[in-house]
Amino acid sequence: GQNIDQPTEMTATEGAIVQINCTYQTSGFNGLFWYQQHAGEAPTFLSYNVLDGLEEKGRFSSFLSRSKGYSYLLLKELQMKDSASYLCAVKGGGATNKLIFGTGTLLAVQP
Amino acid sequence: DTGVSQDPRHKITKRGQNVTFRCDPISEHNRLYWYRQTLGQGPEFLTYFQNEAQLEKSRLLSDRFSAERPKGSFSTLEIQRTEQGDSAMYLCASSLDSYSNQPQHFGDGTRLSIL
Repeated sequence: GQNIDQPTEMTATEGAIVQINCTYQTSGFNGLFWYQQHAGEAPTFLSYNVLDGLEEKGRFSSFLSRSKGYSYLLLKELQMKDSASYLCAVKGGGATNKLIFGTGTLLAVQP
Repeated sequence: DTGVSQDPRHKITKRGQNVTFRCDPISEHNRLYWYRQTLGQGPEFLTYFQNEAQLEKSRLLSDRFSAERPKGSFSTLEIQRTEQGDSAMYLCASSLDSYSNQPQHFGDGTRLSIL
């Protein structure tokens, strides 16, 4: 079966660092995406990993370990506007182009 | 740079009615996807087009659902004889026909409420 797990909710303080974990079990793997989604809005693309290691993009970094079926999204210097749901999504193997999403992690940034 | 556009943003209808949603992808994107999202869940894949060809459909897509992309540009998703369980946000996404690392760009969705 296909399974992607993320924590349901997290709370962090403005200016701090937060790490959102994602574990996956899918039939095949062609990359892992992180999206941010504010309430009532479209998911917006944050990062992509297909090889093991860390990808850094400004205040956001994403890490992948394919052997462990594990990824995390690291958010630094948290701002109030970072309060949103963070979605982990895997593109499966073979010819499929669909993304398999986790349930999302709702992050609340407090002053 | 215009993003993915969906219409309408909200649709309220009675159970048993038919509804149709429209999606206009980013102009140079030839891949188009439909997803469904319910509260507190991530998007679930429904179907995928490459140009006008519907190449993949989820088992979630019952025979009451039909999607088209007649000229390889905009797409429509129709739900016939709507049921309470169809209430959800319907998201459209598009991407370039290229390598796996091309992200899917999402529209703001159509929120469907069945009375």
